[in-house]
Amino acid sequence: GAGVSQTPSNKVTEKGKYVELRCDPISGHTALYWYRQSLGQGPEFLIYFQGTGAADDSGLPNDRFFAVRPEGSVSTLKIQRTERGDSAVYLCASSSSGRGPTDTQYFGPGTRLTVL
Amino acid sequence: GQQVMQIPQYQHVQEGEDFTTYCNSSTTLSNIQWYKQRPGGHPVFLIQLVKSGEVKKQKRLTFQFGEAKKNSSLHITATQTTDVGTYFCAGVRSNDYKLSFGAGTTVTVRA
Repeated sequence: GAGVSQTPSNKVTEKGKYVELRCDPISGHTALYWYRQSLGQGPEFLIYFQGTGAADDSGLPNDRFFAVRPEGSVSTLKIQRTERGDSAVYLCASSSSGRGPTDTQYFGPGTRLTVL
Repeated sequence: GQQVMQIPQYQHVQEGEDFTTYCNSSTTLSNIQWYKQRPGGHPVFLIQLVKSGEVKKQKRLTFQFGEAKKNSSLHITATQTTDVGTYFCAGVRSNDYKLSFGAGTTVTVRA
């Protein structure tokens, strides 16, 4: 079946603008994760959804970042008043249950965000 | 910040040679996972290790989880050009689900 998809693949915006990044997980996967990957670094955890609710948002860097998953499938990561330091690849992953540390996460292709 | 450290950051290998990349955690892990990311691509799951001292093989790749469940290694034999990419380890702490990624080992291969 189809894997995790993310749109757009690339997003260029100006400092101070608002952006939305979309993630479409693997069908039937209840757990969804957002990560951010800066150049030369490994992915860094941002937020985890179990169904519609954010089970853990401890990785969100500040209150400019917000994510929703209203129907328990597609998720949107929203960034307000973007800053140049927000430039990175934003990765989404999903897993079948998320109810254990051994649950395999499948990553999408990512959205490369560039803030000018 | 990162709680999982990986060395080396870069590995330049002659085709046909072997190499090892190492992963160390400051805390005991419930499991460790390895991912490969090709240039311009996204992380792709390779394997998961759960048991203390566990060793798993995938063709030319050998993965090991330390006895104390704080370190892991990936050994590749007879390196091929298809092995090019960045290899990440990612640890999961007990009763957690968040993957804490290392910074990765970027592998280049000289033909």
